[in-house]
Amino acid sequence: NAGVTQTPKFRILKIGQSMTLQCTQDMNHNYMYWYRQDPGMGLKLIYYSVGAGITDKGEVPNGYNVSRSTTEDFPLRLELAAPSQTSVYFCASGSLLASSYNEQFFGPGTRLTVL
Amino acid sequence: GENVGLHLPTLSVQEGDNSIINCAYSNSASDYFIWYKQESGKGPQFIIDIRSNMDKRQGQRVTVLLNKTVKHLSLQIAATQPGDSAVYFCATQDAGNMLTFGGGTRLMVKP
Repeated sequence: NAGVTQTPKFRILKIGQSMTLQCTQDMNHNYMYWYRQDPGMGLKLIYYSVGAGITDKGEVPNGYNVSRSTTEDFPLRLELAAPSQTSVYFCASGSLLASSYNEQFFGPGTRLTVL
Repeated sequence: GENVGLHLPTLSVQEGDNSIINCAYSNSASDYFIWYKQESGKGPQFIIDIRSNMDKRQGQRVTVLLNKTVKHLSLQIAATQPGDSAVYFCATQDAGNMLTFGGGTRLMVKP
């Protein structure tokens, strides 16, 4: 299993540009998450999904959109990039089937810079 | 909202010594606690977890202690090795299955 994969690894955007961060998992997990991590800080939840066709806002959803058309994929869309969105973005997946609690598996991250 | 924080932002230890990383949380409804290790340029990696009905859990060289009375969590690493150098995050999970992460502690192991 590849686990959670993210593309691209790095990206530089100009203010106002748009892009999609890709995330794929091959563990058949129901739950998927997008976090952002600012320098020296912990992770903040942007959006999450409990299954295909279902998405919900996290702590910091403004400026982002997501979709979950399949179990495997959970892309994150930035429509109008702003410097405040400069961060490292982590995708994670998890399943409550494995236990009563949600052990999340993280991808390697996408480092995004908005200039 | 939930506040999960760490007491020390950086911890420097000698190779072979034991390390203790602390974490305070504020939500008494948290029922699951996890420690993650994050190496430079990588995503967080699960280390060990503990449920609220336990106060201690041991893994390989790692022990997590939970004190629900004072809402405190600690990670103990025995015989710290250079490969343990990383940022360590605690996270709590509430009934909604969402994780709230602390700010992280950087562990530096001196050879």
